[in-house]
Amino acid sequence: DAGVIQSPRHEVTEMGQEVTLRCKPISGHDYLFWYRQTMMRGLELLIYFNNNVPIDDSGMPEDRFSAKMPNASFSTLKIQPSEPRDSAVYFCASSPQGSNGYTFGSGTRLTVV
Amino acid sequence: QQPVQSPQAVILREGEDAVINCSSSKALYSVHWYRQKHGEAPVFLMILLKGGEQKGHDKISASFNEKKQQSSLYLTASQLSYSGTYFCGTSTSGTYKYIFGTGTRLKVLA
Repeated sequence: DAGVIQSPRHEVTEMGQEVTLRCKPISGHDYLFWYRQTMMRGLELLIYFNNNVPIDDSGMPEDRFSAKMPNASFSTLKIQPSEPRDSAVYFCASSPQGSNGYTFGSGTRLTVV
Repeated sequence: QQPVQSPQAVILREGEDAVINCSSSKALYSVHWYRQKHGEAPVFLMILLKGGEQKGHDKISASFNEKKQQSSLYLTASQLSYSGTYFCGTSTSGTYKYIFGTGTRLKVLA
């Protein structure tokens, strides 16, 4: 298995632009999570899905952030418009049903200038 | 509520032991432990469930004290490869929602 695949690995964009981050979870994993990591705040849970349905989006910072999971093999996290304070590493992770840990993707390093 | 880890950082010589603690202000249902090397993604080490036994593999083990709302990670006879930042993730509800701790930076010197 190729693991959790995220794209792009790095993204540099100007303030006000739309940014879309992509994630392909491990096949057969029922849960998908989006986390954001910064030095100041550590690893923050933004949203998670179960069987493509958003379960908890209480960590989404504001309306500029949105996430979708149109099918079991693809999810997107969109920021529109982007701001410099959105700069962070965004991780996608997936997990199967049951008492198992998460498998994280390699992350997307977002820089908003 | 983010769990608090202690210590924040620790430096060891190869072969020494270390303990990392993770404390929650809420009752815990389960705890994950991860290790993250610089510039890489966190890697899952183990899960501990409420009412479960102490877990471990190789020279890394962990315990879960429900009464103290705390979990501890034990690294024995540390190796250079153990260097990295260790995170606990806690679930207080039995759901798959895990909140990650503040992290403990561990460096093992030759």
